[in-house]
Amino acid sequence: AQSVSQHNHHVILSEAASLELGCNYSYGGTVNLFWYVQYPGQHLQLLLKYFSGDPLVKGIKGFEAEFIKSKFSFNLRKPSVQWSDTAEYFCAVNANNAGNMLTFGGGTRLMVKP
Amino acid sequence: DTGVSQDPRHKITKRGQNVTFRCDPISEHNRLYWYRQTLGQGPEFLTYFQNEAQLEKSRLLSDRFSAERPKGSFSTLEIQRTEQGDSAMYLCASSTQLTDTQYFGPGTRLTVL
Repeated sequence: AQSVSQHNHHVILSEAASLELGCNYSYGGTVNLFWYVQYPGQHLQLLLKYFSGDPLVKGIKGFEAEFIKSKFSFNLRKPSVQWSDTAEYFCAVNANNAGNMLTFGGGTRLMVKP
Repeated sequence: DTGVSQDPRHKITKRGQNVTFRCDPISEHNRLYWYRQTLGQGPEFLTYFQNEAQLEKSRLLSDRFSAERPKGSFSTLEIQRTEQGDSAMYLCASSTQLTDTQYFGPGTRLTVL
């Protein structure tokens, strides 16, 4: 069964700091990869996704993620965070032979101090 | 585009009671998914519909849980004889077969006393 690990459960940064959130998955086949964000009091929103092609994908609000197949990773990055990026971030994987279900990591709660 | 909607947003019930949640997907999305999320965890897949057909069910979906999508539009998730362990946020998502990107609703928070 596929699984997704997000190693950092809580991250605290100051505004303008750079962000990298780790995501590793355990499936050797073809995968679709997603990052979702949940702002306080709001529902899950899609931040970015990777299906194929350029392994560096850009999403909304200046976020990007890089798919490194050899490392089974899909880390999320942002060069300079803002207070408004305070949220919980979830990595999710859909393995192409696992139907249409998404397998989520446990989430990383990011707090950006003004 | 009105997004995925779920009703109710909050439900408090006593152990042993039955509850039913509703999900209205984005219009023209033929795929609909149910997930469950407990505090401090990521969402866990429960079940998936393509049109009115229930194509996948997780082992998490015990026989007390049943989901329907009778006309291929809205869906209901019923939990019978609720237990305290059923307390969670129940999330619905929808997608099209073409993009296969799931968009989530606001969830129904269930508290079983």
